[in-house]
Amino acid sequence: DAKTTQPPSMDCAEGRAANLPCNHSTISGNEYVYWYRQIHSQGPQYIIHGLKNNETNEMASLIITEDRKSSTLILPHATLRDTAVYYCIVRVVLGSGNTGKLIFGQGTTLQVKP
Amino acid sequence: ETGVTQSPTHLIKTRGQQVTLRCSSQSGHNTVSWYQQALGQGPQFIFQYYREEENGRGNFPPRFSGLQFPNYSSELNVNALELDDSALYLCASSPQVRQGGDTQYFGPGTRLTVL
Repeated sequence: DAKTTQPPSMDCAEGRAANLPCNHSTISGNEYVYWYRQIHSQGPQYIIHGLKNNETNEMASLIITEDRKSSTLILPHATLRDTAVYYCIVRVVLGSGNTGKLIFGQGTTLQVKP
Repeated sequence: ETGVTQSPTHLIKTRGQQVTLRCSSQSGHNTVSWYQQALGQGPQFIFQYYREEENGRGNFPPRFSGLQFPNYSSELNVNALELDDSALYLCASSPQVRQGGDTQYFGPGTRLTVL
């Protein structure tokens, strides 16, 4: 079962910031939060991940609450090409290595409008 | 540096047949994970291979099996195909173990249709 809850859909005006929320109230202390997006039926594209600190890269920012029960992905200046399904994912530890498995939910369909 | 590649792109099989899907990892990546994505759903974890050994498995029957080769490429085999096996099959590779977690990078997927 998915460990995250996201709104099914959101709209955003082109050029504005898109703020995508995610709840993960049952997350464990060693589980990372990952964000991916998927355009049409292409493979999911990695955006960003974090454990407990806020993170920023060239694509987005990730804000994680202090209790780690929720997070927000921020796309600072949304463009039409950012229209996609955005998945908030908890990475669950597996036996060996450090990769774990990704537990996907239903995701949020973000529609960026002109 | 090349990304993750998968073959074939599309495949049509009939119920009861067997299928093999292939994945080439991104250079330097030693871990491969496979996911199944039914239409309108998020991807579901099938299994993961790390250094040629199965490292974890999702809730899929034994007719789903895999291999990882010394060059870290991988195969997903499905026997006795059922109609519900129709889906997009995604392969993801991740780099050497390091502190901070290893990110999985996905290939474009193989679209399997079972008639």
